Amino acid sequence: ETGVTQTPRHLVMGMTNKKSLKCEQHLGHNAMYWYKQSAKKPLELMFVYNFKEQTENNSVPSRFSPECPNSSHLFLHLHTLQPEDSALYLCASSQVRGRADTQYFGPGTRLTVL
Amino acid sequence: DAKTTQPPSMDCAEGRAANLPCNHSTISGNEYVYWYRQIHSQGPQYIIHGLKNNETNEMASLIITEDRKSSTLILPHATLRDTAVYYCIVRVPYSSASKIIFGSGTRLSIRP
Repeated sequence: ETGVTQTPRHLVMGMTNKKSLKCEQHLGHNAMYWYKQSAKKPLELMFVYNFKEQTENNSVPSRFSPECPNSSHLFLHLHTLQPEDSALYLCASSQVRGRADTQYFGPGTRLTVL
Repeated sequence: DAKTTQPPSMDCAEGRAANLPCNHSTISGNEYVYWYRQIHSQGPQYIIHGLKNNETNEMASLIITEDRKSSTLILPHATLRDTAVYYCIVRVPYSSASKIIFGSGTRLSIRP
C-alpha cells in the first residue's frame, strides 16, 4: 500500500473530450509529481509541485494542465489530446527534507486517446 | 539523460540471490544512489538508497564501491514476485533542480 491513490485507474477518451486525472496522497508529504510512461519508454517527469507551487514544467504541451489545490491533492486536466498521449500517467509524492527525498508512486491511470 | 548504465535484462532462479549491477561513473560527491522497481503496469516502488556506505533494509541490500562509480542491488532470496524492471538512479536529494531521471532499467525475470 503506497499511500498514494489515483483515479480513475483506466480512462478512454476522444480527442475532443475534457477529462481530469486525480491524485491524492495520505502520507503528509509536501511535494507532488506527475510522470508519463509511454509504451516501451522510460518514465518522463512532467510537473513538480513543492508546497502547492509549481516548480517544474518539463516542456509539457498546454493540453495538459496541472492543478495542486493543496499539498494532498494533485490534478491533471486534459483537453484536446492526441492519440500519442495514450500512456500510463503516474503521480508521486515526497517529503522534501524527509527520507532522502524518496518519491512514493501511485498505481497510475492508464489513458487511451481514440 | 540518465546518468546510470544497467544491463537491459537478467534472470535468476527462485530462492537464489539476484545481483543487479549499475554503473554511475560520473556520480558527483553529493549524489545518492537510489533503486526503484516497477512491476508490470504498476507505479514504481522505492527499494533502497545510499550515499557511500553499504545499506540494508527488509527488501534488499545495496553495495556501493569505494570509488562510488558503481553499485549492486542484492535481493537475497528472489521470489517470483520480484519479477520487475529495476531502476538505478543517481541524484541530489532535496534539490528541486535534481530530477529523478528513470533510464531503461534492468528487466529481472525470476524463473521457478
